[in-house]
Amino acid sequence: TQLLEQSPQFLSIQEGENLTVYCNSSSVFSSLQWYRQEPGEGPVLLVTVVTGGEVKKLKRLTFQFGDARKDSSLHITAAQPGDTGLYLCAGEGGGSQGNLIFGKGTKLSVKP
Amino acid sequence: GAVVSQHPSWVICKSGTSVKIECRSLDFQATTMFWYRQFPKQSLMLMATSNEGSKATYEQGVEKDKFLINHASLTLSTLTVTSAHPEDSSFYICSASRPSNYGYTFGSGTRLTVV
Repeated sequence: TQLLEQSPQFLSIQEGENLTVYCNSSSVFSSLQWYRQEPGEGPVLLVTVVTGGEVKKLKRLTFQFGDARKDSSLHITAAQPGDTGLYLCAGEGGGSQGNLIFGKGTKLSVKP
Repeated sequence: GAVVSQHPSWVICKSGTSVKIECRSLDFQATTMFWYRQFPKQSLMLMATSNEGSKATYEQGVEKDKFLINHASLTLSTLTVTSAHPEDSSFYICSASRPSNYGYTFGSGTRLTVV
């Protein structure tokens, strides 16, 4: 059974601080995706990483896929209150298409 | 582009009744859609894969007779929760793979409350 361990589960920081969220597994994934979910809404895709060692940047967000494609990280620079939300990593590669394995999520709160 | 519309956003029903949730891909064709369930403070769990024109594939532990899935067209999949019970109360979310790209587009979810 493939599992994605996401940490930390909760994170409360002040505006302007940096943070990193980690997503780790013992399994290899063909791709790994990061989503952000607001309360009462579906997840919205932020980025997909496919190649081992890949780094993608989305404004103040930096996503990295591990060389072995087993882990990933999300780094936010100078966090803003608008970054508050639930961040989910999801790995694909567990057999049938669409069988995304989701991490438990990181609930981020950025205080002004 | 690549919008998935889910309806209704929330529904309250009496125990023992059935509820239908619709998932539509608005600007692309989706031969495959996926249904997830998310309990409070937990992550998304895949329930089933909906295949256009064929039977759905259910994940282990998901009752196919209770959660009926129909994918009659390339843009519509429905999930019917039959004989709903309070323990079926949850947030149900559908998704579809975006054409020519990685990643999935999710619907906005349906909050089901069974009383």
